[in-house]
Amino acid sequence: QKEVEQNSGPLSVPEGAIASLNCTYSDRGSQSFFWYRQYSGKSPELIMSIYSNGDKEDGRFTAQLNKASQYVSLLIRDSQPSDSATYLCAFAGYSSASKIIFGSGTRLSIRP
Amino acid sequence: DTGVSQDPRHKITKRGQNVTFRCDPISEHNRLYWYRQTLGQGPEFLTYFQNEAQLEKSRLLSDRFSAERPKGSFSTLEIQRTEQGDSAMYLCASSPQTGVANEKLFFGSGTQLSVL
Repeated sequence: QKEVEQNSGPLSVPEGAIASLNCTYSDRGSQSFFWYRQYSGKSPELIMSIYSNGDKEDGRFTAQLNKASQYVSLLIRDSQPSDSATYLCAFAGYSSASKIIFGSGTRLSIRP
Repeated sequence: DTGVSQDPRHKITKRGQNVTFRCDPISEHNRLYWYRQTLGQGPEFLTYFQNEAQLEKSRLLSDRFSAERPKGSFSTLEIQRTEQGDSAMYLCASSPQTGVANEKLFFGSGTQLSVL
């Protein structure tokens, strides 16, 4: 079983709609969860972090965490063409010295 | 803040040769990570340091790979006897955090390795 599972996509969403990206993880001890965005040919950049069960909102982005189900998701409201990128789910374990592990990413395409 | 710097940006080598990459993290960051990324995949963890201590190395990494971070500043990643399967983008990232939570990684632009 992979440590982080993501649907590779591509996920195609019309402009202005809500894009929903999902991720499951295997380590029950995980405490910190992240969503990174990676444009083609560029390095990943952090867009959201979440540590507690429930929702966390930041502008058009909402991260959702359910530790019991080992599930984390990212919602992008009012999707824009500039949101077209690969979205990487990542997590860190219980220890403060934990490494950060990435999923394989979901490719999102926003169509005008 | 000049960001994370990696050198070289591109490296082309012949199979069997040794290569070394350098990463200069953001100056006050004490944590430094190396990842490898191939097309269509997410970054694969290789190793990471907290200051000069190498805390973990991926079990998937062969003995041909070694990393150092002398004095807790810049880091080098060496690959000995390169193989075609080593061709990938090698990403370095640094983080200012020593405690739990909010481990934001700042990535460099990467070194693209091509083994012929």
